[in-house]
Amino acid sequence: EDQVTQSPEALRLQEGESSSLNCSYTVSGLRGLFWYRQDPGKGPEFLFTLYSAGEEKEKERLKATLTKKESFLHITAPKPEDSATYLCAVPHGGYNKLIFGAGTRLAVHP
Amino acid sequence: EAQVTQNPRYLITVTGKKLTVTCSQNMNHEYMSWYRQDPGLGLRQIYYSMNVEVTDKGDVPEGYKVSRKEKRNFPLILESPSPNQTSLYFCASSDRGPNTEAFFGQGTRLTVV
Repeated sequence: EDQVTQSPEALRLQEGESSSLNCSYTVSGLRGLFWYRQDPGKGPEFLFTLYSAGEEKEKERLKATLTKKESFLHITAPKPEDSATYLCAVPHGGYNKLIFGAGTRLAVHP
Repeated sequence: EAQVTQNPRYLITVTGKKLTVTCSQNMNHEYMSWYRQDPGLGLRQIYYSMNVEVTDKGDVPEGYKVSRKEKRNFPLILESPSPNQTSLYFCASSDRGPNTEAFFGQGTRLTVV
């Protein structure tokens, strides 16, 4: 069964304390992995697409990487404004839909 | 500004009273989807549309209807809402397919009492 698991569920960091969020997946024939940021009460905002193992994408303090079984979202020297829930998603192997993980709630404190 | 607009943002209704949540996108995207988001369950697809007049069920279609009469609009209809449909709903659109990166609306928080 196609599945996406994110860890940890919640992460609390001090400002400037770098860390990584994990997204592991089981899907037949990966056709992309997507990272989103979701602020409370708002819709998910698209961040990155990764297509193949070894690929990396960067945006400000965020860097996403992909292996054959998982993806990491690295946050370098985070700021309080990076606080949000980060979601990852993969296309379902056989249907027209995305499978989302439950997300990681990140809180960055000054 | 490219956007997906949902209305209303918040809605409290009673069991059995029909309601419609509207969704409109201004990016000329062919593909649109509806999701619901529940704590611990993540985002689950309700319905999707590949083009005008082409819609299909997602993971959790029971109790919902959709229509796609125009490219930009994709309303979600609850004919007889029940308390288990209390949730946060999102409309999304994409130019490459319902299983690719999508632009999401701001969400509609629905409470059915």
